[in-house]
Amino acid sequence: GQNIDQPTEMTATEGAIVQINCTYQTSGFNGLFWYQQHAGEAPTFLSYNVLDGLEEKGRFSSFLSRSKGYSYLLLKELQMKDSASYLCAVTPRAGNNRKLIWGLGTSLAVNP
Amino acid sequence: GAVVSQHPSWVICKSGTSVKIECRSLDFQATTMFWYRQFPKQSLMLMATSNEGSKATYEQGVEKDKFLINHASLTLSTLTVTSAHPEDSSFYICSARQTEVGNQPQHFGDGTRLSIL
Repeated sequence: GQNIDQPTEMTATEGAIVQINCTYQTSGFNGLFWYQQHAGEAPTFLSYNVLDGLEEKGRFSSFLSRSKGYSYLLLKELQMKDSASYLCAVTPRAGNNRKLIWGLGTSLAVNP
Repeated sequence: GAVVSQHPSWVICKSGTSVKIECRSLDFQATTMFWYRQFPKQSLMLMATSNEGSKATYEQGVEKDKFLINHASLTLSTLTVTSAHPEDSSFYICSARQTEVGNQPQHFGDGTRLSIL
């Protein structure tokens, strides 16, 4: 089957660093995405990993280990506006339709 | 670039009404679009994959006669909720990918909040 696990909730302090983990077991692997979703809004794309290693984009970084079926999203210098749900999603296979398998999301609360 | 427009953003209507939601890729062509629904505090649930010029592919448990999908052009897909009932009230979101090659992310519309009275 297809399964993606991430913590349900996390809390952090403004200015701190937080790491959101994601593990996956899928029938194949053709890339992993991280999305941010604020309450009542649609998801917005944050990052993409297909090869092992760290991808850095400003305050956000994403890491992938394909052998371990593991990724994390690292948020630095947290701001109040980073309070949102963070969704991990995997593309199991290549092909035209290439639908995503979604995790349930991690709700991050940033406190002052 | 990669802007997806979804309309309407909010619909309130009586039970038994059919509701059409439009999803447009504004600055790119999308042979494939995706339709999701999301209940409060739950994750995205893929309903169907919309394919330009052919029939949509529905996920297990999604009634294709209830949720009609039309993808008549490379920039427009529509979802019609037929004879909507209160249990159909949800947040419906479409997405599209900019290209079928490479690993482009799905870009989402702003979503449609549907409330059936």
